[in-house]
Amino acid sequence: GQQLNQSPQSMFIQEGEDVSMNCTSSSIFNTWLWYKQDPGEGPVLLIALYKAGELTSNGRLTAQFGITRKDSFLNISASIPSDVGIYFCAGLRYAGNMLTFGGGTRLMVKP
Amino acid sequence: DAGVTQSPTHLIKTRGQQVTLRCSPKSGHDTVSWYQQALGQGPQFIFQYYEEEERQRGNFPDRFSGHQFPNYSSELNVNALLLGDSALYLCASSLASDEKLFFGSGTQLSVL
Repeated sequence: GQQLNQSPQSMFIQEGEDVSMNCTSSSIFNTWLWYKQDPGEGPVLLIALYKAGELTSNGRLTAQFGITRKDSFLNISASIPSDVGIYFCAGLRYAGNMLTFGGGTRLMVKP
Repeated sequence: DAGVTQSPTHLIKTRGQQVTLRCSPKSGHDTVSWYQQALGQGPQFIFQYYEEEERQRGNFPDRFSGHQFPNYSSELNVNALLLGDSALYLCASSLASDEKLFFGSGTQLSVL
């Protein structure tokens, strides 16, 4: 099935470093969502973006809705060990529609 | 306030068998969606239920069917299981008018 292109696939960083990941699509989405998934758990919603150009923060996390509506970015500042997990972007065309997910970015943090 | 709950958490079946997975949505939510997540991949949309009817369907065969009850809870049924059906099955709930989906912890299905 269709997936968004998410990069990088994995990152291994030192505690305290900043992290950036992005998601691109050939199609336009009207909402972008970012989720984090821990092993054996379901995805947990981190940030929702509703307008092109929107920049939204949730603690140390900041996400942006790309101007073209075909991409989105997630930044994590000053990473800590509990940031370890898989981060997924997801695009939505309208409320009630299905989510299209990226392939995920696996983040590993070295203490 | 309970979030999305799914049962069972783990299940082992053999090829050809049938399975039923259950989901209770977050309190106040009226829409339930099901996703299949293969190992190392992002979730793939199976179908969505609203007002006890299937509203949308992804690219999954008819072996995958579902139901939504008047209390908004939902079931996912898979018939004639194949080895390739082994995956984490996620339920997500939302309000029909809202963009945010909230996921349960999933049911890990293994088909031997």
